[in-house]
Amino acid sequence: DTAVSQTPKYLVTQMGNDKSIKCEQNLGHDTMYWYKQDSKKFLKIMFSYNNKELIINETVPNRFSPKSPDKAHLNLHINSLELGDSAVYFCASSQGARGYEQYFGPGTRLTVT
Amino acid sequence: RKEVEQDPGPFNVPEGATVAFNCTYSNSASQSFFWYRQDCRKEPKLLMSVYSSGNEDGRFTAQLNRASQYISLLIRDSKLSDSATYLCAFDTNAGKSTFGDGTTLTVKP
Repeated sequence: DTAVSQTPKYLVTQMGNDKSIKCEQNLGHDTMYWYKQDSKKFLKIMFSYNNKELIINETVPNRFSPKSPDKAHLNLHINSLELGDSAVYFCASSQGARGYEQYFGPGTRLTVT
Repeated sequence: RKEVEQDPGPFNVPEGATVAFNCTYSNSASQSFFWYRQDCRKEPKLLMSVYSSGNEDGRFTAQLNRASQYISLLIRDSKLSDSATYLCAFDTNAGKSTFGDGTTLTVKP
């Protein structure tokens, strides 16, 4: 009965490869997010979708492309992976776009070699 | 100035101690405030929302000071299980969520 799930949990890949991370929430929430947490533990928002519409797009290289096929899913595709992309990527969801607490997935630990 | 600043710690306290963390924010348009807890190699989990009048949940008390633009978290009677990183977070009207860099707490027997 996981509320926010992500796959895969671990991802090890080489520089230059393209990879995707998938996220699903079964909470009936309208808003979903992608965060990056680097080795220093800083948690930074990357994207936010509300009802499948992109509402927040932080300064993220355009190698990162989110996609929301429906309200319950938000995927992240990364092209031409670089060493600096190594981090933990968290998906989260909230009831609405403003003022609601967020529920996080377990994270995807990406290692680029 | 960073949008949100937290003392990274670490805070090392004995069991039973009272410990307090502050988190200052620079965006006066901030509307909603939260404290999250993150255990090692786990995802952040909501600890409590922070209301204008202050709020309490068991041993945890959260306060908001809009004039000085900070929120605080007070933990009374610390338990070993309280050891974690505590992240403050706030939302603006634009719907953007900003998290602090976290304060690490270690409670020792």
